Amino acid sequence: AQSVAQPEDQVNVAEGNPLTVKCTYSVSGNPYLFWYVQYPNRGLQFLLKYITGDNLVKGSYGFEAEFNKSQTSFHLKKPSALVSDSALYFCAVRDMLTGKLIFGQGTELSVKP
Amino acid sequence: DTGVSQNPRHKITKRGQNVTFRCDPISEHNRLYWYRQTLGQGPEFLTYFQNEAQLEKSRLLSDRFSAERPKGSFSTLEIQRTEQGDSAMYLCASSPRGQPVEKLFFGSGTQLSVL
Repeated sequence: AQSVAQPEDQVNVAEGNPLTVKCTYSVSGNPYLFWYVQYPNRGLQFLLKYITGDNLVKGSYGFEAEFNKSQTSFHLKKPSALVSDSALYFCAVRDMLTGKLIFGQGTELSVKP
Repeated sequence: DTGVSQNPRHKITKRGQNVTFRCDPISEHNRLYWYRQTLGQGPEFLTYFQNEAQLEKSRLLSDRFSAERPKGSFSTLEIQRTEQGDSAMYLCASSPRGQPVEKLFFGSGTQLSVL
């Protein structure tokens, strides 16, 4: 069965500092990995995806993610955090047969001024 | 095109009542998904449609839950005899035809509170 895990329930970062939100995956075959962000009382917004190619994927709002096959990880990163980045972040793997996304439990990012 | 639309945004009901939610996907998206999200958790897959065919149902979808997509466009999710444990955010998502690795587009969800 495919799954992703987000080991941190919460990440706290000072504005202007780099941030990392961790994700590890377990799949058979090639993984198709995604990051989504959720603001309060809103649906999920797509940030970026890894399908194949470069291990460093660039996405929306200055976010990027690094795919590491040997460590089965797909960590989300941003060089300089903004207060407005505070939200819930979800890592997900896509089932290639049905296209459904299988989500991690989420990480709450808090960026303080 | 205004994205995936879900109605209502909020629903408060008494235990034992039936409720129905509606999802309008992005036009021409042939894949439609329903998810349930409880506070502090990631979205959990409920069911999946390709056009009007319901191709997968999670074991989370008890016999009190039923989903339809009669003409391959909008979809409805009905919960019969609601229980307090059904209180959650119900999310709908759609994705385009023929692109299995394309992203899912999510609606803003329907927040259900069962009293």
